[in-house]
Amino acid sequence: SQTIHQWPATLVQPVGSPLSLECTVEGTSNPNLYWYRQAAGRGLQLLFYSVGIGQISSEVPQNLSASRPQDRQFILSSKKLLLSDSGFYLCAWSVRPLRGNTEAFFGQGTRLTVV
Amino acid sequence: KNQVEQSPQSLIILEGKNCTLQCNYTVSPFSNLRWYKQDTGRGPVSLTIMTFSENTKSNGRYTATLDADTKQSSLHITASQLSDSASYICVVSALTGGGNKLTFGTGTQLKVEL
Repeated sequence: SQTIHQWPATLVQPVGSPLSLECTVEGTSNPNLYWYRQAAGRGLQLLFYSVGIGQISSEVPQNLSASRPQDRQFILSSKKLLLSDSGFYLCAWSVRPLRGNTEAFFGQGTRLTVV
Repeated sequence: KNQVEQSPQSLIILEGKNCTLQCNYTVSPFSNLRWYKQDTGRGPVSLTIMTFSENTKSNGRYTATLDADTKQSSLHITASQLSDSASYICVVSALTGGGNKLTFGTGTQLKVEL
């Protein structure tokens, strides 16, 4: 069966420090991978989308970047965190079909607080 | 641009009452539409999925409808319970050259009270 792992669960970082959140998927190949952010009281906002190794699409301009060094590994990074980067970050994956239904599976999320 | 809009933004109902959440989308080419439930501090969990040819689908007390012509969907919750308090997110999938792409609504925050 497929599983998705996201860590850490919570993180408190000072302004200006770097960030690295990791997400891995097991039990599937060539998944579509996503990073979402959910600010307090707001809906999910798609940050990055990847269809394959080294292929990253950015949905919104921001202080963050994403990388996909391996097929089932997706990393969210920042060189210098801002206060506005605080939020709940969710990694998700979906199968990449040519047609038919799709399903999105989410990790448990990372609560990031920038202080 | 693909968009998914949900209404109302928030809703408070009494336990035992029914409610209906709305989702309008402009996603093309349409593949399917899902409703997710997200408890506070947790990842979303899928409730239902509907393709172009499906008009309604139920999952326990949750019933989703889809009108692909008007590009509208609704999620009806029957006999609400306190545990239904959560954010309900509408997600529409589009088929692109690179695969499927998901567009998320901002969610409806539901609170069920005694």
